[in-house]
Amino acid sequence: ETGVTQTPRHLVMGMTNKKSLKCEQHLGHNAMYWYKQSAKKPLELMFVYNFKEQTENNSVPSRFSPECPNSSHLFLHLHTLQPEDSALYLCASSRERGQGTDTQYFGPGTRLTVL
Amino acid sequence: GQNIDQPTEMTATEGAIVQINCTYQTSGFNGLFWYQQHAGEAPTFLSYNVLDGLEEKGRFSSFLSRSKGYSYLLLKELQMKDSASYLCAVRDGDYKLSFGAGTTVTVRA
Repeated sequence: ETGVTQTPRHLVMGMTNKKSLKCEQHLGHNAMYWYKQSAKKPLELMFVYNFKEQTENNSVPSRFSPECPNSSHLFLHLHTLQPEDSALYLCASSRERGQGTDTQYFGPGTRLTVL
Repeated sequence: GQNIDQPTEMTATEGAIVQINCTYQTSGFNGLFWYQQHAGEAPTFLSYNVLDGLEEKGRFSSFLSRSKGYSYLLLKELQMKDSASYLCAVRDGDYKLSFGAGTTVTVRA
């Protein structure tokens, strides 16, 4: 248990579907992140929120739409995805800015399959 | 861009020692992290280095040489539960982490 939860753990969707991934952290952190993890590739940072404000969009296609209603919750809304979007989507949180040993705490991820 | 390299796979025997190397070329440097990720689970924090030298934490140690852009994670007295992927990550600013592709370590009996 890292203090970061994600739902659902597994999701299968068609290319025309709309779905949402949810992340919740119970650590009192103010920064939250979405990462994409594909097999044999480095974790790719997608979005960063700091105090509910988006501070990073790493050239992510518009079919991925993040939402951060408060510092504890983060959503990733998905629509008209492509098969190559199939991956493990990880949420993480940290204190507002990384200082010293301050690290990011990860959730278990949502395994997404796009048919 | 950021470039972080680590071997793809390593295999070792229970009770042995394994050293996972990581080399990096990044636009900035504000610390290097190692994470452990078991299959189907979240990456979990193992170690942090920001100054040159060795940091020891039980069976795990991590070393950093900033001038060489090099780090290693040393796993001693390997146990079966150490079979996992080990991720090297560099913080190049105040919060952004850049990750290597991970090294899958398999521990054999």
